Amino acid sequence: QQKVQQSPESLIVPEGGMASLNCTSSDRNVDYFWWYRQHSGKSPKMLMSIFSNGEKEEGRFTVHLNKASLHTSLHIRDSQPSDSALYLCAATASGGNYKPTFGKGTSLVVHP
Amino acid sequence: NSKVIQTPRYLVKGQGQKAKMRCIPEKGHPVVFWYQQNKNNEFKFLINFQNQEVLQQIDMTEKRFSAECPSNSPCSLEIQSSEAGDSALYLCASSRGTNQDTQYFGPGTRLLVL
Repeated sequence: QQKVQQSPESLIVPEGGMASLNCTSSDRNVDYFWWYRQHSGKSPKMLMSIFSNGEKEEGRFTVHLNKASLHTSLHIRDSQPSDSALYLCAATASGGNYKPTFGKGTSLVVHP
Repeated sequence: NSKVIQTPRYLVKGQGQKAKMRCIPEKGHPVVFWYQQNKNNEFKFLINFQNQEVLQQIDMTEKRFSAECPSNSPCSLEIQSSEAGDSALYLCASSRGTNQDTQYFGPGTRLLVL
């Protein structure tokens, strides 16, 4: 059973719009969350990480974490066509041999 | 930018053949991971190492897959007898070795088993 669920599977937003992506872990031992971005034909690159309850903002990207519900969300404002990519959520549990569990990803398309 | 090096970038094998790929982790990163990403973009963890020691691996890895990270040599992942279902992107990642550390991915080896 997939322990990290991402939604939606795919998302289309207009250029300049807001994209909101969700991720929930079913593993109560999870402490750390990451968002990776993978452009087509490329390898994943870490976008943002969040380990504490609350919100973290970096430029156009904001990530939220609710540790009680093990839910994190990524919001991209003023979306650009270059943001079109697969967004992967990963979660790691303390003492888990450093092994993150990845979700299946959300495929984002930003159309001009 | 990631400094994880993976070779070769592309690998084509016939069914039953061995397929071997290599990874040089980023300098100072003792933890190395191997993942398989299939055509549906699903990630499957295969194995990870801390220095030369295996931390964790899945059952699939134990049967046809073998991996090692010898000191002073590239890490490697080898499929003993390739199957069509092994066609995928094999990603190597490294990290500094705590649960809070980011993984840095190499460009991947794309394996096609004919």
